Amino acid sequence: NAGVTQTPKFQVLKTGQSMTLQCAQDMNHEYMSWYRQDPGMGLRLIHYSVGAGITDQGEVPNGYNVSRSTTEDFPLRLLSAAPSQTSVYFCASSPYLNSPLHFGNGTRLTVT
Amino acid sequence: AQSVSQHNHHVILSEAASLELGCNYSYGGTVNLFWYVQYPGQHLQLLLKYFSGDPLVKGIKGFEAEFIKSKFSFNLRKPSVQWSDTAEYFCAVRDNNNDMRFGAGTRLTVKP
Repeated sequence: NAGVTQTPKFQVLKTGQSMTLQCAQDMNHEYMSWYRQDPGMGLRLIHYSVGAGITDQGEVPNGYNVSRSTTEDFPLRLLSAAPSQTSVYFCASSPYLNSPLHFGNGTRLTVT
Repeated sequence: AQSVSQHNHHVILSEAASLELGCNYSYGGTVNLFWYVQYPGQHLQLLLKYFSGDPLVKGIKGFEAEFIKSKFSFNLRKPSVQWSDTAEYFCAVRDNNNDMRFGAGTRLTVKP
């Protein structure tokens, strides 16, 4: 049982480049979300989804897009990377909206 | 939007010392409360949760937390810490709008 799988683990981008962070879960969880973790700021919610075809914005959505075409996958797209997006990104899922989250191992992104 | 405050940024203890990490939140309605732990180089894992009922909840690895509604607090405690408890600890609060916020985290260092 893989749980929540994130790829890649590390990524370096140049300002203006675009990329997609992948997230997949094999637990048939309806709820999926993306957080960024920055020193001294904890985790902040970027986008979330309560089921396939449904997404919504979190606390810090600007510069990021998401889609949820299947229950399993919830990719996060950076449209035009900026140094302010240097962070560690965590994908999380849960069976339903108010249950505890299961986290992936994170993606460390550096934008130069 | 609600906020979550963790009072201690970095706590250093010797093995066998008692631990208490503070967590306060600002939302006045019904909340779900969580403590997550992040060991070095790993993803966040659930330590314990409170949804309703007994305000003293017990989690894994000997941790417990007490929900005090009048103080908007959910402090984490452990009677005797071990070197293996060295990690970062995050308090999280979900309100009845399903808005989940994390505190900035408390780094715990346990000296052997």
